[in-house]
Amino acid sequence: KNEVEQSPQNLTAQEGEFITINCSYSVGISALHWLQQHPGGGIVSLFMLSSGKKKHGRLIATINIQEKHSSLHITASHPRDSAVYICAVRLGGGADGLTFGKGTHLIIQP
Amino acid sequence: GAVVSQHPSWVICKSGTSVKIECRSLDFQATTMFWYRQFPKQSLMLMATSNEGSKATYEQGVEKDKFLINHASLTLSTLTVTSAHPEDSSFYICSASPSGRGETQYFGPGTRLLVL
Repeated sequence: KNEVEQSPQNLTAQEGEFITINCSYSVGISALHWLQQHPGGGIVSLFMLSSGKKKHGRLIATINIQEKHSSLHITASHPRDSAVYICAVRLGGGADGLTFGKGTHLIIQP
Repeated sequence: GAVVSQHPSWVICKSGTSVKIECRSLDFQATTMFWYRQFPKQSLMLMATSNEGSKATYEQGVEKDKFLINHASLTLSTLTVTSAHPEDSSFYICSASPSGRGETQYFGPGTRLLVL
C-alpha cells in the first residue's frame, strides 16, 4: 500500500517568510501533484511533476524520484497563501486515480 | 484554464433518499473522470474512476451498488448516492482528465452532502 506522508501537518509563519512543505511516498509513481485546498473545499492544481523542478510565480516544486521525496516552496509568503496544501501521487502501472497525503495546513500571519 | 463544475454545491437530504451529483467539464472533453470523497479532517480518497461509455472502476471498499456512476458523455459524469445514510455525509469532489490517462486532472468545486 502506498503511503503519502506530508510534513509538517500544521505550519504558521509570518508574512514574507520562505515556506517549505515536504512529501514522501513509499512506492514507484508516474507523477506527483501539489494541490491547494481553500476553506470552502475547492481544490486547485498547482503542479504536476515527474522529475526535476517547476516554478510558477512564487511557488516552486521539486521532486527527487530516487529518494521518493518532493518539496513545495513558497517564497515571500502572503496571507492569501493560507490554505491546505496537499501532495498526491499517481501510481505507476496504469492506475490513474490519485493517492493523497493528509495535507499541510498553512497559516500566514500578516 | 480548464473548468470543471459540480452540481449541486451542497445538499441536505433525509436518510433513505437518493442524491445525484453532476460533474461537468465545461471547455474540454474528458474521457476519464474521477470521484473522490473527503471526510472532515481527513485526506481525499479515490472512490472510483469513470470512463466514458464503460463501467466505472471502484476502489476497494466502495460499494458500487450504493454509489452509482454514469459517464454517458465526454463532458458529464454523475454520482448517485442511493439510499443515503448519515455516514455518507461527506465532501464529494470530482476531477476530469482531458488526456484520458489521469496525468492532468482538473478538480470540480465539490459537493457537500449532509444526510439527516
